[in-house]
Amino acid sequence: NAGVTQTPKFQVLKTGQSMTLQCAQDMNHNSMYWYRQDPGMGLRLIYYSASEGTTDKGEVPNGYNVSRLNKREFSLRLESAAPSQTSVYFCASSDEEGKIGWTYEQYFGPGTRLTVT
Amino acid sequence: GIQVEQSPPDLILQEGANSTLRCNFSDSVNNLQWFHQNPWGQLINLFYIPSGTKQNGRLSATTVATERYSLLYISSSQTTDSGVYFCAVGLRETSGSRLTFGEGTQLTVNP
Repeated sequence: NAGVTQTPKFQVLKTGQSMTLQCAQDMNHNSMYWYRQDPGMGLRLIYYSASEGTTDKGEVPNGYNVSRLNKREFSLRLESAAPSQTSVYFCASSDEEGKIGWTYEQYFGPGTRLTVT
Repeated sequence: GIQVEQSPPDLILQEGANSTLRCNFSDSVNNLQWFHQNPWGQLINLFYIPSGTKQNGRLSATTVATERYSLLYISSSQTTDSGVYFCAVGLRETSGSRLTFGEGTQLTVNP
């Protein structure tokens, strides 16, 4: 199993450009999450999806949109990038509540390092 | 929202030393995880421990949920233990468990 994968690994954008960060998981998890990490800080939740077809805002959603494409994939879109969105973006997933052996434990991808100039 | 405080913020050790990292949180939790972020930025799951005690090799963790704190013990530290250690907690909500991270403990282990 690859676990949680993210593309691209690195990206440089100019202010005002748009892009989509891709995330996929092969663990048959129900819930998926997008976090950002700024230098010297812990991660902060941007958006999450408790199940296919649902999305909800996290702590810092402004400037982002998300799409839960199917159970495996959860994308994050920046419509008009700003320098304040320079950060490392992590995707995570967690299992389906009620399954045998289920826990709330989240598993993280390797991250996408985004720079907006 | 829930507050998560980690201490100490920085820790420098000699190889072979033991250490204890602390995580205090301000509310009842259903999820508590410890992570190690290595120098390449990768987040590694160390423990899922909303309560109780677990051990994995030289690392162990204890969470006392009623007193709202968790401890991560590192014994016989090695240079590869260097990096940032994060505690993250989550409250169960109807639409999933959303983690709130502390600011981390930066650990440096010198040879």
